[in-house]
Amino acid sequence: SQQGEEDPQALSIQEGENATMNCSYKTSINNLQWYRQNSGRGLVHLILIRSNEREKHSGRLRVTLDTSKKSSSLLITASRAADTASYFCATDAKSFGNEKLTFGTGTRLTIIP
Amino acid sequence: NAGVTQTPKFQVLKTGQSMTLQCAQDMNHEYMSWYRQDPGMGLRLIHYSVGAGITDQGEVPNGYNVSRSTTEDFPLRLLSAAPSQTSVYFCASSSGTSPYFGPGTRLLVL
Repeated sequence: SQQGEEDPQALSIQEGENATMNCSYKTSINNLQWYRQNSGRGLVHLILIRSNEREKHSGRLRVTLDTSKKSSSLLITASRAADTASYFCATDAKSFGNEKLTFGTGTRLTIIP
Repeated sequence: NAGVTQTPKFQVLKTGQSMTLQCAQDMNHEYMSWYRQDPGMGLRLIHYSVGAGITDQGEVPNGYNVSRSTTEDFPLRLLSAAPSQTSVYFCASSSGTSPYFGPGTRLLVL
């Protein structure tokens, strides 16, 4: 079964607005990662946050992690048309080298020009 | 570096046929994994390997076999294809940090 559930399942916003998507997971984790997938393409790694971190930034991306609530959020600021994609969170509960990721169901983000 | 390569890109099989999906990486990564992605879903782990000669099952291993005779290659074998195995298959490799994913193999079983 999927470890994570993402909310919302789909999100449409105007270009320039901020997009926020959430991920919840079930078991204790070492790390949580966010990936982007353009339609019909492979996955692109966006950001990794460790279980002892609460917030992390990378460019226009901001990720928060609340291990007490088993949840994470991904904020994309100043959205662009190129941000249109599906976004997945992935956790690695017990693995040596991220070889056993458990993915959420994804949020489909559409940026309206 | 080519990164993670997968062949073929697309394959059509008839029910009962067998085939091997190829995955190769040139980054000397110890860890490799196979996932499948069904429409509208996230990826689910099929099998993984933590080094040459070592493999283990993931969440959805039934109907698939793997082997890891070299560090570079991690083929996925479908023993007797079923329509339920219609999916997109992704291979990934890592060295302890975030994994690199291949471009995927789209498989249709009729």
